[in-house]
Amino acid sequence: DSGVTQTPKHLITATGQRVTLRCSPRSGDLSVYWYQQSLDQGLQFLIQYYNGEERAKGNILERFSAQQFPDLHSELNLSSLELGDSALYFCASSVRDTAYNEQFFGPGTRLTVL
Amino acid sequence: AQSVSQHNHHVILSEAASLELGCNYSYGGTVNLFWYVQYPGQHLQLLLKYFSGDPLVKGIKGFEAEFIKSKFSFNLRKPSVQWSDTAEYFCAVNADSGYSTLTFGKGTMLLVSP
Repeated sequence: DSGVTQTPKHLITATGQRVTLRCSPRSGDLSVYWYQQSLDQGLQFLIQYYNGEERAKGNILERFSAQQFPDLHSELNLSSLELGDSALYFCASSVRDTAYNEQFFGPGTRLTVL
Repeated sequence: AQSVSQHNHHVILSEAASLELGCNYSYGGTVNLFWYVQYPGQHLQLLLKYFSGDPLVKGIKGFEAEFIKSKFSFNLRKPSVQWSDTAEYFCAVNADSGYSTLTFGKGTMLLVSP
């Protein structure tokens, strides 16, 4: 157990719908990262928040958005879902915003879009 | 932007065989390098990391990796694998540009037969 929790574990929805994935970082961690893992693209960085502020953006689609709340939990919102959005979505957290701080990964949310 | 390539998608070994998983990255500047492992049904966890200094780094569970700057490589090794090493292994790079985000390779699935 890494201390990072993600809910839900599984999500099945239809094309065109909107879903919200939730991540609670380890206690004391200020930085939250979102990654998408798919068979063809591998593990790709989506977006990072640090202490409530967006810090870095990766290959995140415009249909996706995220935020980090004052209690430091984060939510990833995926809208107008397409079949290709089916993937495993990981959240990771670290104490601070440097590469020297290990990123701890959650168990992931498996999203299936039908 | 940096990229990471892992040469083998699947590797099958017998117990006690030696392991070497290849990882090459493309980035001309200073990098921080990581190997993560994902055991079946578990979250990603850090195996080892390289920031600077001795290019041969040792990690958990008997793993080590060697950074060869001239070859842009960071290969993972273990002298004698065990059945419990069956997992997916990911190489990751952080370009030392002030951001802490990671670029991952597509992973290598290692199956160790008893």
